[in-house]
Amino acid sequence: GAVVSQHPSRVICKSGTSVKIECRSLDFQATTMFWYRQFPKQSLMLMATSNEGSKATYEQGVEKDKFLINHASLTLSTLTVTSAHPEDSSFYICSARIFDTQYFGPGTRLTVL
Amino acid sequence: AQKITQTQPGMFVQEKEAVTLDCTYDTSDQSYGLFWYKQPSSGEMIFLIYQGSYDEQNATEGRYSLNFQKARKSANLVISASQLGDSAMYFCAMREGGSNYQLIWGAGTKLIIKP
Repeated sequence: GAVVSQHPSRVICKSGTSVKIECRSLDFQATTMFWYRQFPKQSLMLMATSNEGSKATYEQGVEKDKFLINHASLTLSTLTVTSAHPEDSSFYICSARIFDTQYFGPGTRLTVL
Repeated sequence: AQKITQTQPGMFVQEKEAVTLDCTYDTSDQSYGLFWYKQPSSGEMIFLIYQGSYDEQNATEGRYSLNFQKARKSANLVISASQLGDSAMYFCAMREGGSNYQLIWGAGTKLIIKP
């Protein structure tokens, strides 16, 4: 099946630092990758849609300067949370699309102290 | 407006019984896709099953089947012979045609299988 990896799985950082999360499709090329945020006991909230070689499309209310997305190749997208603050603490999960289906990475739990 | 509704916030089911998780959707598109994902406590979203709006047969994948009733706009997930490992959150999602493949998500159903 389609496998997506995401690293790191867990990160704790101090307020004001930047954190980079990598999302890789391991056995397929993904034209489109998606970044989500999930709060406890809630559904997924789409943050941005990323197409290889072009700028990401951010959802309304998502700060593009805070959440930098780079989709440099067909198998790798990165999300950088810049100058992280405690309110950015959350579960971040990426997905990669092949045909109609999105396949998800295992997620990254970010804790900002 | 497009919308996914999962009316069961939580369900308890005895092991080995079949379980049906409800999902209704609202769209004015003729072309759309419906998905079910499983999210165990580890957090990973696991793709279970897909149904296209033009598919005449209900989708099946092992113990999972999707009861697609287009006129009623429902896409219920049926899990046969439930197992303890089926305990998880289950999300129904919809993709509309021309949407850049973005998904609209339901609120989820927490399924707990009792031994």
